[in-house]
Amino acid sequence: AQKITQTQPGMFVQEKEAVTLDCTYDTSDQSYGLFWYKQPSSGEMIFLIYQGSYDEQNATEGRYSLNFQKARKSANLVISASQLGDSAMYFCAMREIYSGGGADGLTFGKGTHLIIQP
Amino acid sequence: EAQVTQNPRYLITVTGKKLTVTCSQNMNHEYMSWYRQDPGLGLRQIYYSMNVEVTDKGDVPEGYKVSRKEKRNFPLILESPSPNQTSLYFCASSLGGNSWGNTIYFGEGSWLTVV
Repeated sequence: AQKITQTQPGMFVQEKEAVTLDCTYDTSDQSYGLFWYKQPSSGEMIFLIYQGSYDEQNATEGRYSLNFQKARKSANLVISASQLGDSAMYFCAMREIYSGGGADGLTFGKGTHLIIQP
Repeated sequence: EAQVTQNPRYLITVTGKKLTVTCSQNMNHEYMSWYRQDPGLGLRQIYYSMNVEVTDKGDVPEGYKVSRKEKRNFPLILESPSPNQTSLYFCASSLGGNSWGNTIYFGEGSWLTVV
């Protein structure tokens, strides 16, 4: 069963507008982490932001914020004031953390290709 | 500088010729893993290791082997590569224990083509 769903294969956004990239997840675990990564055309994976399942406040990192709605199992990435350099693939990922110690690897969504237009 | 280093970065090889992609991290991380990325499929985990001498299969382990004899190294071995293993490969590492939620560091990726 798919654990991470990104419903937007591609998006076009005007420069300076805010962008919301959707991510929903599926897990029965109580303890897990949610990640967003950016992958530019050069291929490297760039960590953007992290949200723990027990974190009460939404995570923020500069222009990035994570809109975490636990009951809806939603972890949308919001990019404020988009820039041309934000054009890239964006991946949502989840890691389940076991109560007995240990953790799973990352499960990724299929990604959203974001293109910022001048 | 915290790093995950993969080699080679680019490789074209022939079907059946054994190859190894090395991965090394300098952060004393317990957890290391390998992913492959294919168009339209995102990244999928091949193998992972929670510590030295502890490895386990991920979602797509067929055709791959790994070993974890030292904490810093986690090589990916393709004993008999086939064209369907043409992909972009990423090694990743992170802390373990109570720090499972910490940042997962990725290598720069290895572009592998099997002809």
